[in-house]
Amino acid sequence: DIVMTQSPDSLAVSLGESATIHCKSSLTLFYSSHNKDYLAWYQQKPGQPPKLLFYWASTRESGVPDRFTASGSGTDFTLTISSLQAEDVAVYYCHQYYNAPHTFGQGTKLEIK
Amino acid sequence: QVQLIQSGLEVKKPGASVRVSCQASGYKFSGYGITWVRQAPGQGLEWMGWISASNGDTKYAQKFQDRFTMTTDTSTNTGYMELGSLRSDDTAIYYCARIGYGGNFFDYWGQGTLVTVSS
Repeated sequence: DIVMTQSPDSLAVSLGESATIHCKSSLTLFYSSHNKDYLAWYQQKPGQPPKLLFYWASTRESGVPDRFTASGSGTDFTLTISSLQAEDVAVYYCHQYYNAPHTFGQGTKLEIK
Repeated sequence: QVQLIQSGLEVKKPGASVRVSCQASGYKFSGYGITWVRQAPGQGLEWMGWISASNGDTKYAQKFQDRFTMTTDTSTNTGYMELGSLRSDDTAIYYCARIGYGGNFFDYWGQGTLVTVSS
């Protein structure tokens, strides 16, 4: 199974500042024949289901604010939230869909400082 | 708009089975797959399997393979999961989600169904 490891487990950031979350996979998620990385990011607010933010490592889902950006390839990926808003408080998960079983990172809890 | 509406709270005894439904609307049901993900209290996300709504093909996580079954009913645009031989550590919120077009990411999620296993 592909192991997904996020860092940090939690972070506290002041309103208006930037937050960066890292995700590392135990195997490459880059599928060369498709020229795509099979990596998604989700946001989960308390009491809600996860919400898709990005897929193919950096393709923003419709409706996601552009203060959210995602990057990376191969085994190392990053989610950045610039100009943090109070509504961004949530747990963020990375997800590999390169192969089965699909696996998720353990989650990163983002709070306001 | 795309919606996935799941059935309600379930309380089961150890050894029993549970069936959760996931009714889809707002899109062509047979054109997408459905996946099931669970989340134990205060824990992360765990993938259980997916099913094609067009031809019924399935892929199960090996961990659940012996006691987990997914089905779909295209006449009612509904997906189902059934988990048997329930244990206390199966207590979790069970989510269905639609598999995104062209890739196995999960673009729309149901609201979740809490399954509590307790004697």
